[in-house]
Amino acid sequence: NAGVTQTPKFQVLKTGQSMTLQCAQDMNHNSMYWYRQDPGMGLRLIYYSASEGTTDKGEVPNGYNVSRLNKREFSLRLESAAPSQTSVYFCASSDPGQGSNEQFFGPGTRLTVL
Amino acid sequence: QKEVEQNSGPLSVPEGAIASLNCTYSDRGSQSFFWYRQYSGKSPELIMFIYSNGDKEDGRFTAQLNKASQYVSLLIRDSQPSDSATYLCAVNGDNFNKFYFGSGTKLNVKP
Repeated sequence: NAGVTQTPKFQVLKTGQSMTLQCAQDMNHNSMYWYRQDPGMGLRLIYYSASEGTTDKGEVPNGYNVSRLNKREFSLRLESAAPSQTSVYFCASSDPGQGSNEQFFGPGTRLTVL
Repeated sequence: QKEVEQNSGPLSVPEGAIASLNCTYSDRGSQSFFWYRQYSGKSPELIMFIYSNGDKEDGRFTAQLNKASQYVSLLIRDSQPSDSATYLCAVNGDNFNKFYFGSGTKLNVKP
């Protein structure tokens, strides 16, 4: 039982390059999330998916796209990376129908855009 | 804009003391409240959640919620050096899929 996995762990991009961050969970959770965390700041929600086939914007969606490929996988795409997107990206999953709605986080992807 | 405010710290307490961490939130419609612990370079992990006014205890941890005053706190009794971490407060409301996090309070427990 791996929980939430993310790839890659580290990435360096040049301004204007594109990339996709991958996330998968094996807990059969309905909801999945993408957050970014900048120094001295809490987690900010980029996008979330309440169920397979649905996605919705969070607080800071500009410059990102997402795909909920199936119940297990939720990817985040940067089409044209900018230095302002340098951050640590966390994927999370939860099941709002199960008691606490605890979010389980992946290990994070540390992205640097030069 | 839903805001969740925390004192960034660092909060320093001696080993064995009680650490008190506070969080205020702006949205009166908030329904669920969470405390996550995050060690440096790691991902957040849930410590406590609370829905109802009052206190909720789990081992050395007690969460306190006061909806009228819009604050939630976390008390850590018998603090240990292993408790040294950043503690994130998170809130959500009618939309159970939208969580709002504070910037976190860094706690240092000195041996």
